[in-house]
Amino acid sequence: EPEVTQTPSHQVTQMGQEVILHCVPISNHLYFYWYRQILGQKVEFLVSFYNNEISEKSEIFDDQFSVERPDGSNFTLKIRSTKLEDSAMYFCASRLGLSNQPQHFGDGTRLSIL
Amino acid sequence: DAKTTQPTSMDCAEGRAANLPCNHSTISGNEYVYWYRQIHSQGPQYIIHGLKNNETNEMASLIITEDRKSSTLILPHATLRDTAVYYCIVRLDSGNTPLVFGKGTRLSVIA
Repeated sequence: EPEVTQTPSHQVTQMGQEVILHCVPISNHLYFYWYRQILGQKVEFLVSFYNNEISEKSEIFDDQFSVERPDGSNFTLKIRSTKLEDSAMYFCASRLGLSNQPQHFGDGTRLSIL
Repeated sequence: DAKTTQPTSMDCAEGRAANLPCNHSTISGNEYVYWYRQIHSQGPQYIIHGLKNNETNEMASLIITEDRKSSTLILPHATLRDTAVYYCIVRLDSGNTPLVFGKGTRLSVIA
């Protein structure tokens, strides 16, 4: 069964450094999402992406964040200057795009900011 | 904020049916009920969803009340591997509407 793939599984970065998280959505899916989950807290929506542009974003998704679909298969989340509070699990999801279809999630990247 | 209310935790004996309730009294006519689960710190796993009819797939059954104000997820024969946090989410079926996760129900399946 096709699945969403995220790399790396764990990323350790110094505060203030840039980090890029990688996702390969399911191949025929058209809608892409990033969520995050701080340890012990709820899963929170960050951004959705369709037709090569951001569709929706939350208050969390400020100027330090950006997303890109650089080719036909990858979907990346960049954090320009990481802060301690960016430490979290980051989940990528994709959705087929037809009406009434669910989002499917990857297993996440654990981002640790030192 | 999540539009659903779920019990914080539940226990279920292995091999028995697990019935997880969810209240969504403010659901609107074009909002679907989705169920996901999260095992440990893995990514949320899609289980099932429905609008107003009861639904069944290989993982679970979803029972939605006639007034659509509540639903129940049924795992017919719970196993230890079903131990997870279960999220009931109401979502508008429109474009890129995100999923809004609450705290979910922590289901513990006990041998």
